Amino acid sequence: GAGVSQSPSNKVTEKGKDVELRCDPISGHTALYWYRQRLGQGLEFLIYFQGNSAPDKSGLPSDRFSAERTGESVSTLTIQRTQQEDSAVYLCASSFAAGANVLTFGAGSRLTVL
Amino acid sequence: DQQVKQNSPSLSVQEGRISILNCDYTNSMFDYFLWYKKYPAEGPTFLISISSIKDKNEDGRFTVFLNKSAKHLSLHIVPSQPGDSAVYFCAASDGGATNKLIFGTGTLLAVQP
Repeated sequence: GAGVSQSPSNKVTEKGKDVELRCDPISGHTALYWYRQRLGQGLEFLIYFQGNSAPDKSGLPSDRFSAERTGESVSTLTIQRTQQEDSAVYLCASSFAAGANVLTFGAGSRLTVL
Repeated sequence: DQQVKQNSPSLSVQEGRISILNCDYTNSMFDYFLWYKKYPAEGPTFLISISSIKDKNEDGRFTVFLNKSAKHLSLHIVPSQPGDSAVYFCAASDGGATNKLIFGTGTLLAVQP
């Protein structure tokens, strides 16, 4: 696609439920990142995928968070047993190669946990 | 520990004047710095960048200055336009294999007509 596509754009869920957020990167972009932005905070790195290499999961805040990516295409971020502090905008970004400095971001998925 | 800091949460300037947004960092291993601009309900978009081997990079109305000894960078917008009103994020990279960007908390710029 022409840009990074994320869905859903908005998700409201109840505490304790699982949620899945989807990211469709730019075609040909081999690197994919997930970030989140909580209210009043900067963008917080979560996880990075590059080709068939093991992902860099160093930013995942707890074992309730996981992400998968199929090849060089779609990625899914899953949050299990959601908590109110998980409320944030979850942003996906892609770049054409590992080590490329400029990331192209999607519009984000706004998650609200009641 | 916040490695990239934007100490001004907001800034208001008049149209036509200069906007100066500031950013400080603590990690001396950072070697590449970027500014992103974000409108409400949209993802951040890349604006301008600078490598640590330079101290200035200019692109039209936007100039980024880097002071490595002070671990400080700034973004100058001149002349400022109402369409520049947005949140500006400073980001830094250590150029490692992951090349994850470390972002500041952002500065909301309001350009008054």
